[in-house]
Amino acid sequence: EIVVTQSPATLSVSPGERATLSCRASQSVSSDLAWYQQKPGQAPRLLIYGASTRATGIPARFSGSGSGTEFTLTISGLQSEDFAVYYCQQYNHWGTFGQGTKVEVK
Amino acid sequence: QVQLVQSGAEVKKPGSSVKVSCKTSGGTFSSYVISWVRQAPGQGLEWMGRIIPILGIPNYAQKFQGRVTMTADKSTSTAYMELSSLTSDDTAVYYCARETSGGLIFDYWGQGTLVTVSS
Repeated sequence: EIVVTQSPATLSVSPGERATLSCRASQSVSSDLAWYQQKPGQAPRLLIYGASTRATGIPARFSGSGSGTEFTLTISGLQSEDFAVYYCQQYNHWGTFGQGTKVEVK
Repeated sequence: QVQLVQSGAEVKKPGSSVKVSCKTSGGTFSSYVISWVRQAPGQGLEWMGRIIPILGIPNYAQKFQGRVTMTADKSTSTAYMELSSLTSDDTAVYYCARETSGGLIFDYWGQGTLVTVSS
């Protein structure tokens, strides 16, 4: 099974600043990496797939990069609605999720 | 607009089984692949498996092999996930999610079903 590790567990950021989240796979997943946002009491929401392609309706302040085993989600100019938990997921071999990064208000 | 609507919360005894439904609308059910993902309280997301309704073929994560059964009813556009031999570790919110054509990428999700296992 491919293990996916996210860091940090919690990221404290001020509104308007940039947040950088990391995701590492235990073996290469090519570009088969997605990012999801989850708010309390809600289902996850697809943000990014193919490591860098924004899903329909996702604002341009969300960007993804990376390939192989190292990936990054960047949120530029954090807005109040962006404070949430973010999960990365590899889908190169079935599907495994990271443990999540909570983005909280600094 | 694609919608996935799940059945309501369940409370089960250890050792019993639970069956959760996921009714879809707004699209062509036979062209979907439906996955099931669960989330224990305060924990992350865990993929359990998927069902291809047009073929009726499931694929299960190794962890759940032998304990989970995923089915689909094309006549009602509904997918089902049954989990047996429940323990307290199975207490979680269970989500169904539609895969995109690009693989296990989940673009539409159900609202979640809380399954509580308690004696």
